[in-house]
Amino acid sequence: GAVVSQHPSWVICKSGTSVKIECRSLDFQATTMFWYRQFPKQSLMLMATSNEGSKATYEQGVEKDKFLINHASLTLSTLTVTSAHPEDSSFYICSARVPFFLTDTQYFGPGTRLTVL
Amino acid sequence: QQQVKQSPQSLIVQKGGISIINCAYENTAFDYFPWYQQFPGKGPALLIAIRPDVSEKKEGRFTISFNKSAKQFSLHIMDSQPGDSATYFCAASIQIKAAGNKLTFGGGTRVLVKP
Repeated sequence: GAVVSQHPSWVICKSGTSVKIECRSLDFQATTMFWYRQFPKQSLMLMATSNEGSKATYEQGVEKDKFLINHASLTLSTLTVTSAHPEDSSFYICSARVPFFLTDTQYFGPGTRLTVL
Repeated sequence: QQQVKQSPQSLIVQKGGISIINCAYENTAFDYFPWYQQFPGKGPALLIAIRPDVSEKKEGRFTISFNKSAKQFSLHIMDSQPGDSATYFCAASIQIKAAGNKLTFGGGTRVLVKP
């Protein structure tokens, strides 16, 4: 299957600072990537859809000014958590859409654990 | 509104047994149903997927059964192994660009396979 990487795998930061998470498609070009958030023992919650060369589409209730998404190339999308607070601590996972004949499939990255102190 | 309901929340099965996870959906526009396996601290990995034009799909020890009229689908893990212990998520999406190809996830099922 298609390989998606994330960097860093974990990050600890102080409250009020900003953190950038990278999502890369390693062996394919991804025009669309997705960003999810997952709390312990819960399901994945879609935060936003990232389209190469255009503005991200945010889900209802997600603050676009707090979670900045940039999809500058066909293999890289970034999520920046601005002015992070302890409640932003979570597991952030990206996925990339891989179009196959008749079916689009999403492949996920390994996730980034964010802890805000 | 939870569009994909998954049950049970957790499941314990003996090695060699069958694990069965069920999902029900509400939106009849869904036309792609993947299952993902997630280990602690890792991202979900695509396990198997089905489209509504078939009633069953098998890949190795994993089988999806699909009932379009009942709007239900299930994952069967045959000959369950301790290495299968993970959280399983069902999902559904609408495979047209206008819908954004977004996945709607079920709540997840934590499976523990006892040796």
